[in-house]
Amino acid sequence: QQPVQSPQAVILREGEDAVINCSSSKALYSVHWYRQKHGEAPVFLMILLKGGEQKGHEKISASFNEKKQQSSLYLTASQLSYSGTYFCGTGSGTYKYIFGTGTRLKVLA
Amino acid sequence: NAGVTQTPKFQVLKTGQSMTLQCAQDMNHEYMSWYRQDPGMGLRLIHYSVGAGITDQGEVPNGYNVSRSTTEDFPLRLLSAAPSQTSVYFCASKPGQLNEKLFFGSGTQLSVL
Repeated sequence: QQPVQSPQAVILREGEDAVINCSSSKALYSVHWYRQKHGEAPVFLMILLKGGEQKGHEKISASFNEKKQQSSLYLTASQLSYSGTYFCGTGSGTYKYIFGTGTRLKVLA
Repeated sequence: NAGVTQTPKFQVLKTGQSMTLQCAQDMNHEYMSWYRQDPGMGLRLIHYSVGAGITDQGEVPNGYNVSRSTTEDFPLRLLSAAPSQTSVYFCASKPGQLNEKLFFGSGTQLSVL
C-alpha cells in the first residue's frame, strides 16, 4: 500500500516555509525524499534511516518518526527552484521501495 | 559515465502489440527497478531486481515481464499492450546497500491506442 502524503498540493510565496508529511501503514527501515520537475526524472534530496542517521541535502531538512511510521520534509525560506512534486519513498528492510502519491508544491515570486 | 539510460523516450503502440522498454546502467549497481507514473498516483513499483538472475514483483506487476541476465541491463516487456498501460515509465538503480539513493533514468512516455 502506498504511503500517504499530505498536503496533496501547496502554494507558497518566496521566503515562506512548508512542511510535507509522509505516513506509512508498514514498519519502515528508511525514508527517501525526491523532487520531480515537470517532464523530468525524480531527483534525490535526502535519506533518513532508522536510528536517526540522515544523508542528503544541505538546505532541506527532514525528520523520521519510526514508531509512528511517519516522515516530514521541511522546506524553509522557499525559493522559486523548490517548485515541483515531492515524493517520499519508503523501505521496509527489503529492496522494495514504494513511493507516496506525491505533493505538488508551487513557489510564487 | 552515462548513468541510467532508457530507450525509447517515446513510443506509441496499438492494443495487443508487444514491445520491450530498455534500461541500462553503467555504475555496476546491483539493484534495478521499474516504476510507472500516472497522474495523481505517484510512482508505482512494477518489478525489481537485486542482482543478475534475481527478480521480484512490485505493486503493479500484471501485464509486465522482466529478466536480468546481466548486471547492466533490466528490460521491461509488455507482451500484449493495453490502453491501461499508457503511462510514463522510469527505470531506477542503486548500489546494493539499503541506505543508498536511487538513480533514475529520463523516462519513457508510452501511449497505447
